[in-house]
Amino acid sequence: GAGVSQSPSNKVTEKGKDVELRCDPISGHTALYWYRQRLGQGLEFLIYFQGNSAPDKSGLPSDRFSAERTGESVSTLTIQRTQQEDSAVYLCASSLRDTADTEAFFGQGTRLTVV
Amino acid sequence: GENVEQHPSTLSVQEGDSAVIKCTYSDSASNYFPWYKQELGKRPQLIIDIRSNVGEKKDQRIAVTLNKTAKHFSLHITETQPEDSAVYFCAASRRRGSQGNLIFGKGTKLSVKP
Repeated sequence: GAGVSQSPSNKVTEKGKDVELRCDPISGHTALYWYRQRLGQGLEFLIYFQGNSAPDKSGLPSDRFSAERTGESVSTLTIQRTQQEDSAVYLCASSLRDTADTEAFFGQGTRLTVV
Repeated sequence: GENVEQHPSTLSVQEGDSAVIKCTYSDSASNYFPWYKQELGKRPQLIIDIRSNVGEKKDQRIAVTLNKTAKHFSLHITETQPEDSAVYFCAASRRRGSQGNLIFGKGTKLSVKP
């Protein structure tokens, strides 16, 4: 595709339910990042995938959060037993490779609302 | 891991004035420093970046400086215009192997008053 695509654009879920967010990176991009952005706040790092290396999960806030990536393609971020504090925009970004001077391109984000 | 501090959190300037945003980073191995602009309701977009082998880079009204010894870098916007109003984020990355995660500062909300 032309850019990073995320789905769904908006998700409203009930507290305690599980949600799955999807990110389709730009074709050929080996690096993929997930961030959380609460209203009016900064970009909180969650997880980073680079090729076949073990992902950097150091930003995941709790064991309710997990993410997977199949090869160098689609990634899914799963939040189990959602809480109201999980409400935020979840942004995905991808870049061509991490050893070159390449830009990280962001998707439009998934706005998650936990009610 | 890397920690990026950004100041100020808000900045208000008159149209035509200059704006400066400063960031510090903690990981001396970081070698890539991008700046992103996020307009209200939109995704962050890269406006300029600098590598650790360069001290300064300019692109029209925007410039970035890097001081590796002090581990800080700054964004300079000259002749500000109302359309420069947005939130600006700095970031730092090692850009090497599996340690290439991109860590952002908390952002600076820039308001340019006509």
